[in-house]
Amino acid sequence: QSALTQPASVSGSPGQSITTSCTGVSSDVDGYNYVSWFQQHPGKAPKLIIYDVSKRPSGVSDRFSGSKSGNTASLTISGLQAEDEADYYCSSYTSSGGWLFGGGTKLTVL
Amino acid sequence: EVQLVQSGAEVKKPGESLRISCEGSGYYFNNYWISWVRQMPGKGLEWVGTIDPTDSYTKYSPSFQHHVTISADKSISTVYLQWGSLKASDTAMYFCARHFSESDYPDYWGQGTLVTVSS
Repeated sequence: QSALTQPASVSGSPGQSITTSCTGVSSDVDGYNYVSWFQQHPGKAPKLIIYDVSKRPSGVSDRFSGSKSGNTASLTISGLQAEDEADYYCSSYTSSGGWLFGGGTKLTVL
Repeated sequence: EVQLVQSGAEVKKPGESLRISCEGSGYYFNNYWISWVRQMPGKGLEWVGTIDPTDSYTKYSPSFQHHVTISADKSISTVYLQWGSLKASDTAMYFCARHFSESDYPDYWGQGTLVTVSS
């Protein structure tokens, strides 16, 4: 299975909003509402920020939101802050069992 | 407090065997599956495989099947990832993560174990 497709990089200025995408196929993103998003700072473990397409875990800022249309999921971060600069990964459950991750998107806060 | 605590960094030679561990605490261990995720240097996340500690049912990514083994000892709330014969290409950070069911999202992650394989 190929990785889910994410743009390599995205950038925005403090206070702005950014949206980044995650594209799969019918056997993963399009087939299930089991898309998650993770934030990873350098040298740290990934942190869950969105699950089941659009739900936020307790303690995660409401500046993070998720959505899905067909085979493409999206993560939006509003009111960008310097601490949001990190790598962001999407993942989806797949029809063959297990998870498939995206290649990751590096967010730069200008 | 939920914690997944992984064993320390390892340096091995090609062909050697290795077992790394992930110990869960702060929750009922048998209620959650544990998956392993690889991150090669400077690269993205890759799902390795998963285990249900209740009955040790395992499922592997085709990319890792036959090269690694995942096992569990629920008496000590610990899951293992092991290699019988390491390759240089196994050099990576390995994370464990818990999830409520096979299809569920990973809500807590271990701190990672760095495995370096070099002659």
